[in-house]
Amino acid sequence: EAAVTQSPRSKVAVTGGKVTLSCHQTNNHDYMYWYRQDTGHGLRLIHYSYVADSTEKGDIPDGYKASRPSQENFSLILELASLSQTAVYFCASSDAAQLQDTQYFGPGTRLLVL
Amino acid sequence: GQQVQQSPASLVLQEGENAELQCNFSTSLNSMQWFYQRPEGSLVSLFYNPSGTKQSGRLTSTTVIKERRSSLHISSSQITDSGTYLCAMPLNTGNYKYVFGAGTRLKVIA
Repeated sequence: EAAVTQSPRSKVAVTGGKVTLSCHQTNNHDYMYWYRQDTGHGLRLIHYSYVADSTEKGDIPDGYKASRPSQENFSLILELASLSQTAVYFCASSDAAQLQDTQYFGPGTRLLVL
Repeated sequence: GQQVQQSPASLVLQEGENAELQCNFSTSLNSMQWFYQRPEGSLVSLFYNPSGTKQSGRLTSTTVIKERRSSLHISSSQITDSGTYLCAMPLNTGNYKYVFGAGTRLKVIA
């Protein structure tokens, strides 16, 4: 089974501080994604990547940067955390850009910005 | 407007009852997926169902492309079915950027 891990699992950050969320997958998948989920809402795509050293903007990229230093690792960076970025963040990976390819999700990171 | 709308927003079932969850899309549909989010938050894929009917155990998904809708039928519900059911569709053909619905929160009680 595909394995996607995230760290940290939860974090409290201060407004204006820098936050880095990490994601690691062990399945040799090409595609990786970062989503955020707000209470009572579905997932929204922040950034994604289809190859190492390259990232693409998703639907809500403002306030976030992403980094894909290797095929296995994909980070989400909040340079200046804001209250509105309090949410649960999910990382996912998939084998290729085929519609039928399942996205495998990490356990999520709960971020609270104070 | 919202491209993916799910109904009902929430649902409470007695154990053993059946449920039908709906997903409607505002744009043309070429594929969709159903996901299950456990109460503690983790997500798993249930079905990739571009059209027609697929079944897995007590779960049946039916997608009608022309009508831009998909349904998820849960039969003989169990307490362990509790959680949130999310549907998602890709924005365009060949596009792996998925748009998610807000989900249906299901609670099954004894």
